Amino acid sequence: AQKITQTQPGMFVQEKEAVTLDCTYDTSDQSYGLFWYKQPSSGEMIFLIYQGSYDEQNATEGRYSLNFQKARKSANLVISASQLGDSAMYFCAMSGSNFGNEKLTFGTGTRLTIIP
Amino acid sequence: GAGVSQSPSNKVTEKGKDVELRCDPISGHTALYWYRQSLGQGLEFLIYFQGNSAPDKSGLPSDRFSAERTGGSVSTLTIQRTQQEDSAVYLCASSLAGGQGAANFYEQYFGPGTRLTVT
Repeated sequence: AQKITQTQPGMFVQEKEAVTLDCTYDTSDQSYGLFWYKQPSSGEMIFLIYQGSYDEQNATEGRYSLNFQKARKSANLVISASQLGDSAMYFCAMSGSNFGNEKLTFGTGTRLTIIP
Repeated sequence: GAGVSQSPSNKVTEKGKDVELRCDPISGHTALYWYRQSLGQGLEFLIYFQGNSAPDKSGLPSDRFSAERTGGSVSTLTIQRTQQEDSAVYLCASSLAGGQGAANFYEQYFGPGTRLTVT
């Protein structure tokens, strides 16, 4: 079974500062994927970034980077130069591969609020 | 191109009634997933389709829940004899299929969800 833990229910960050959202995971799969999704108040789930378990380099997508520490089983999301539009719920999720079934296991989320 | 669409966007129903929720995935996406999000919670997996078959139904909470997919495209989630605890947002997602033991995984694209309220 897979498990995702997000220990920060809420965070407040000043605009333009960097922010790190924590995520730890547990799995017995050798091959797995780690994802971060953003959910604004409108409710849609927006894909942000992906890290494969075999990837040696940390993933980056614009202002988003994923700090992947495999030995610690952590996959923290770093947002640089935060903006007011970054205020949202952020979910860490993981997927193992079971004959193509890549169902996602989600954490409970972190509500990020950017302060002007 | 068009994203994942779901209908209706909102559904209010009386306890005991049946409801059908529809999902139109992105064209060409063979994998389709249903999730449920209760108020203030993370997403909970319900069922996975690969083409028209559902090899993983392990997340369906009870036998009142069923789903089908036709033509490798549209999927319908049916809840019979709805209960108040069924109230939630039901989200559908689609993706390109991963291979067996794939080293790479594909992001899932989510629809806007159907908010179900059982009174």
